[in-house]
Amino acid sequence: EVQLVESGGGLVQPGGSLRLSCAASGFTFGSYSMNWVRQAPGKGLEWVSYISGGGVTIYYADSVKGRFTISRDNAKNSLYLQMNSLRDNDTAVYYCASTNMDWGLGTLVTVSS
Amino acid sequence: DIQMTQSPASLSVSVGDRVTITCRASQGINNFLVWLQQKPGKAPKSLIYAASTLQSGVPSKFSGSGSGTDFTLTISSLQPEDSATYYCQQYNSYQWTFGHGTKVEIK
Repeated sequence: EVQLVESGGGLVQPGGSLRLSCAASGFTFGSYSMNWVRQAPGKGLEWVSYISGGGVTIYYADSVKGRFTISRDNAKNSLYLQMNSLRDNDTAVYYCASTNMDWGLGTLVTVSS
Repeated sequence: DIQMTQSPASLSVSVGDRVTITCRASQGINNFLVWLQQKPGKAPKSLIYAASTLQSGVPSKFSGSGSGTDFTLTISSLQPEDSATYYCQQYNSYQWTFGHGTKVEIK
């Protein structure tokens, strides 16, 4: 059974940093590209970032470019999102999702003073 | 960016009703379209991919159709457990984009 479990969310002040993790199991992690998608409270879904299976190809949404960094460790079956210079409007539930359309449970990031 | 226009924004229907949700892409997406179901406080769940292929374990009351830029999700006989928000999503581009969602409620 495919499982994606995010962690690392929490409350952070504006300008602060957080590192999210996504632990994958039940599939050959390194064979799949991965994405981060977020959902602000009461809002729709917004794609954040993409990383290819080997980690070579990376893309970001304009809203996070230069502040967020996606990475992966295929030996540890893990995906990461380093988030710096956080803003109020980065407050959201962050999901990892595979290109096989499996989604994690999400982790809540709250940016507030 | 590929824009996804989904309608209606909300539906209030009776148990047993047939439900149809439409989604239009701003350009052709080669049928790289997913329908997602999201219940309150839960993660999205993929129901249909490649516009019309049912994900494993998803009941056959859900079906998808369409091609090019116009797509449809149909729920053949709505049950209380189908109350949720449904999103279309394109994955033709690495930059996934989503419709704004259709909230389906039971009358």
